[in-house]
Amino acid sequence: GQNIDQPTEMTATEGAIVQINCTYQTSGFNGLFWYQQHAGEAPTFLSYNVLDGLEEKGRFSSFLSRSKGYSYLLLKELQMKDSASYLCAGMDSNYQLIWGAGTKLIIKP
Amino acid sequence: GAVVSQHPSRVICKSGTSVKIECRSLDFQATTMFWYRQFPKQSLMLMATSNEGSKATYEQGVEKDKFLINHASLTLSTLTVTSAHPEDSSFYICSARDQQRGEVQPQHFGDGTRLSIL
Repeated sequence: GQNIDQPTEMTATEGAIVQINCTYQTSGFNGLFWYQQHAGEAPTFLSYNVLDGLEEKGRFSSFLSRSKGYSYLLLKELQMKDSASYLCAGMDSNYQLIWGAGTKLIIKP
Repeated sequence: GAVVSQHPSRVICKSGTSVKIECRSLDFQATTMFWYRQFPKQSLMLMATSNEGSKATYEQGVEKDKFLINHASLTLSTLTVTSAHPEDSSFYICSARDQQRGEVQPQHFGDGTRLSIL
């Protein structure tokens, strides 16, 4: 079956770095997406990886290892506004997104 | 970037009322749109995939007679919750992707509709 696993909740300190991991199993693979969702709001697109390696975009970076079925989202210089849920989603061979349950990130001062 | 508009943002109504939610792609054409439901502190659940000019594809367990989807044009899909009851209260979110740029595109979400049935 298809499955996305990510931790339920993580806590980090303002100014620090945090890594949110995601493992995936999909029928075929057309890439891995990360979204940010603030409480009560809709998700917003953060990043997309389809090739192995690290994609950097400002304070946020995303990594993919296809052989391991593994991705992570790295957030640097954490700010209070980064408190949100982070959703990992794999795209299968039918171009359908398989969603993880999301990781709630709590930032403490 | 791709913009998706969803309306209304908030609905409060009595049990038995039917509620229509609109989802529009503002600067691109979308042959496919997606409807999600999210209960508090839970993950996104795909309800159905809306296909322009044809019937929607519903996920297992979603009643198609309860949640009517119409995708009448390349920029508009509507979800109607018929005879809504308190258990239908939830956050409904639509999304679309710009398929003219290729199949592998991120889904862009509307702002969501918070539905409260009294």
